[in-house]
Amino acid sequence: GQQVMQIPQYQHVQEGEDFTTYCNSSTTLSNIQWYKQRPGGHPVFLIQLVKSGEVKKQKRLTFQFGEAKKNSSLHITATQTTDVGTYFCAGPKVSNYQLIWGAGTKLIIKP
Amino acid sequence: DTAVSQTPKYLVTQMGNDKSIKCEQNLGHDTMYWYKQDSKKFLKIMFSYNNKELIINETVPNRFSPKSPDKAHLNLHINSLELGDSAVYFCASSPRQGASSPLHFGNGTRLTVT
Repeated sequence: GQQVMQIPQYQHVQEGEDFTTYCNSSTTLSNIQWYKQRPGGHPVFLIQLVKSGEVKKQKRLTFQFGEAKKNSSLHITATQTTDVGTYFCAGPKVSNYQLIWGAGTKLIIKP
Repeated sequence: DTAVSQTPKYLVTQMGNDKSIKCEQNLGHDTMYWYKQDSKKFLKIMFSYNNKELIINETVPNRFSPKSPDKAHLNLHINSLELGDSAVYFCASSPRQGASSPLHFGNGTRLTVT
């Protein structure tokens, strides 16, 4: 069946280091969405990418959508403690009525 | 405040009991959802309603029964609770039907079944 794989499951970084999470779909996606969930919190929508090869930036966060619209990445430059949380990607099922979610990448800042 | 609000925030109960979780959104959205997040943080859709009409029912045991009295409310009733039902349940809404609309999540209800 249709799948969205997200790696890595966890990433430990020192504060100030960069962080990247990758999302790969088994099918071409019409769009991909990224969400952030802080510890103990709820998922919060970050961004939606629609176009092939699209790159969008939000301050230190850079989001990319692959040319084939089957993969995406989120890169955080110079992580801060406020970046801690789990980052999820999600793309539409072929039926387009629901999202298929990646398993999330947990960003952990080493003390 | 405009938001998706759900109650209660915590729910601790014993196996076999029946419980309900309520959700309300004042964003004017047409579509509402229930998601289950397990201990490994995996998000799984359970139900989706569009303008009070059920559009997604994802192989959820029939002990779970959603009810949408109007498009701003979506409640979840669970009968005969089991240990495996322990999870965080999130209500969410989106402006319209379809998976291209971003989701707005409530704060979650942490259900613990003992």
